[in-house]
Amino acid sequence: EVQLVQSGAEVKKPGESLKISCKGSGYSFTSYWIGWVRQMPGKGLEWMGIIYPADSDTRYSPSFQGQVTISADKSINTAYLQWSSLKASDTATYYCARSTDSDYWGQGTLVTVSS
Amino acid sequence: DIQMTQSPSSLSASVGDRVTITCRASQGISNYLAWFQQKPGKAPKSLIYAASSLQSGVPLKFSGSGSGTDFTLTISSLQPEDFATYYCQQYNSYPYSFGQGTKLEIK
Repeated sequence: EVQLVQSGAEVKKPGESLKISCKGSGYSFTSYWIGWVRQMPGKGLEWMGIIYPADSDTRYSPSFQGQVTISADKSINTAYLQWSSLKASDTATYYCARSTDSDYWGQGTLVTVSS
Repeated sequence: DIQMTQSPSSLSASVGDRVTITCRASQGISNYLAWFQQKPGKAPKSLIYAASSLQSGVPLKFSGSGSGTDFTLTISSLQPEDFATYYCQQYNSYPYSFGQGTKLEIK
């Protein structure tokens, strides 16, 4: 069974750093792209970027380029989304999804940034 | 960048109805179009990929069509569990992009 399991909810202060994870199982992790999607409270889905774990080829939406870093460790079947300096406006639920057509999704990670 | 526009933004329908949601791309995307269902507090669920192919396990009441710039998602014989928000997404070219969503509500 294909599964994407994300790390738990986080509460952070503005300016702090954060790295959240997405662990894949039940399939060949290096054979599928993993994308990240943001959903701000009460809003729609926003595509952030995508990584191919086999070679770490990464593409970003211009809206998120320079704001986040997407990475992957194929040795442990895990993709990451990280921030070096969080803002209140980063408060959202973040989802990972497998493949270019997002066929399987993680359960989401709620990130709350508040002073 | 490719903009995806869904219509309507919201839709009221009754149990048993058949509804159609439209998604329009700002430029041609061939058939690189997916549809998702999202219920409150839950992750999106994939329904359709490649514009018209049903994901495994998705009921046949869901169907997709279209190519190029104009696409539709049709849901037949609405049941209470179908009331949710639906999104389209293009994956033809980077950056990939979603439509703004269509909220399907019970009349």
